[in-house]
Amino acid sequence: SAVISQKPSRDICQRGTSLTIQCQVDSQVTMMFWYRQQPGQSLTLIATANQGSEATYESGFVIDKFPISRPNLTFSTLTVSNMSPEDSSIYLCSARDSGYTFGSGTRLTVV
Amino acid sequence: QQQVKQSPQSLIVQKGGIPIINCAYENTAFDYFPWYQQFPGKGPALLIAIRPDVSEKKEGRFTISFNKSAKQFSLHIMDSQPGDSATYFCAASKETSGSRLTFGEGTQLTVNP
Repeated sequence: SAVISQKPSRDICQRGTSLTIQCQVDSQVTMMFWYRQQPGQSLTLIATANQGSEATYESGFVIDKFPISRPNLTFSTLTVSNMSPEDSSIYLCSARDSGYTFGSGTRLTVV
Repeated sequence: QQQVKQSPQSLIVQKGGIPIINCAYENTAFDYFPWYQQFPGKGPALLIAIRPDVSEKKEGRFTISFNKSAKQFSLHIMDSQPGDSATYFCAASKETSGSRLTFGEGTQLTVNP
């Protein structure tokens, strides 16, 4: 199955700033996904990112807050914009190949 | 229709015990049912998955039992070890249409030595 490299692994950011999280997949995949996970809780899908088309956002998530890029079949970025402490969470990317593979996550703390 | 209900929320067993985690789904269009294992600070890792054309699948110490009529599936961990202590998530998707995973709420498993 695909291997995903996600970075940064963690960051502490000031409120009002933006952070871009990168995911690199070691093989070409059509579908990539971005999730948010609060500690001790399940995964919540933010959006689905297919190469060559606009990302599809889930209810409660908007493009202005979480812009996503998908420039090719092996790479995607998620930006968390104009951050507030409520954005503190773990952000995970995922890719669909033979199954669904996950990156190791980005632990974001907004102060 | 899109929910996956998982129980229990937490589970403590002794080494060698057989923890069982249960999931129930509503959407009969789901055709792919994976289980993920997640350690603190790591992303979820695929443990084992099943499709609805079989009632049981075994990989090493991990077994999925699937009951299509009841819309339920469960994970059994044989001869559990302290290293199995982690959070386990069931999930479901309509894989044939390439849809995303719907996750259960998670079960925090502790295996005591």
